[in-house]
Amino acid sequence: DAGVIQSPRHEVTEMGQEVTLRCKPISGHNSLFWYRQTMMRGLELLIYFNNNVPIDDSGMPEDRFSAKMPNASFSTLKIQPSEPRDSAVYFCASSNIAEAFFGQGTRLTVV
Amino acid sequence: GENVEQHPSTLSVQEGDSAVIKCTYSDSASNYFPWYKQELGKGPQLIIDIRSNVGEKKDQRIAVTLNKTAKHFSLHITETQPEDSAVYFCAARSQSGGSNYKLTFGKGTLLTVNP
Repeated sequence: DAGVIQSPRHEVTEMGQEVTLRCKPISGHNSLFWYRQTMMRGLELLIYFNNNVPIDDSGMPEDRFSAKMPNASFSTLKIQPSEPRDSAVYFCASSNIAEAFFGQGTRLTVV
Repeated sequence: GENVEQHPSTLSVQEGDSAVIKCTYSDSASNYFPWYKQELGKGPQLIIDIRSNVGEKKDQRIAVTLNKTAKHFSLHITETQPEDSAVYFCAARSQSGGSNYKLTFGKGTLLTVNP
């Protein structure tokens, strides 16, 4: 398996634009997590899904953030409209009950 | 919810010395504690984990200990090498209703191994 695949690896966008981050989890994993990493806050859990159903979105900072998982092999995290303070590295991770495996992350810069 | 504290935030050691990173957690029901290593520009990678029914686990130069009573766990790296330099994260897995669970991470420790 190629592991958790995220795209794009880097995204630079202007303030106010919509940004969509994508994740393909490891096949057979039933849980998917979206994390945001910044120097100030470290790794923050934004939302996680179990069997494609959102379980806990209490970490989503604002209504500008939304996430979907239409099927077991794909998830998106959308920010609309984006703001400079959203600049961070966004990680997707998938899990099979025990170990969680991370993707390489998407570095988002909002200017 | 679960809260994980990690110390120190930075750690500098000489090559060959040992390094110890400590974490505490708040939810006594947490039952799985992984450690991740993150190198520059990469995602965190699982390096070792321990479950609540075990007190210690070792894998070559790295070991993890768990004290459930005190709710703390530690990562020990012996005979450190420059390639051990990275950010290390501890995490605790807690239940979130039914069969759902989530991982809560510490803030990370930047380990620098000086040649």
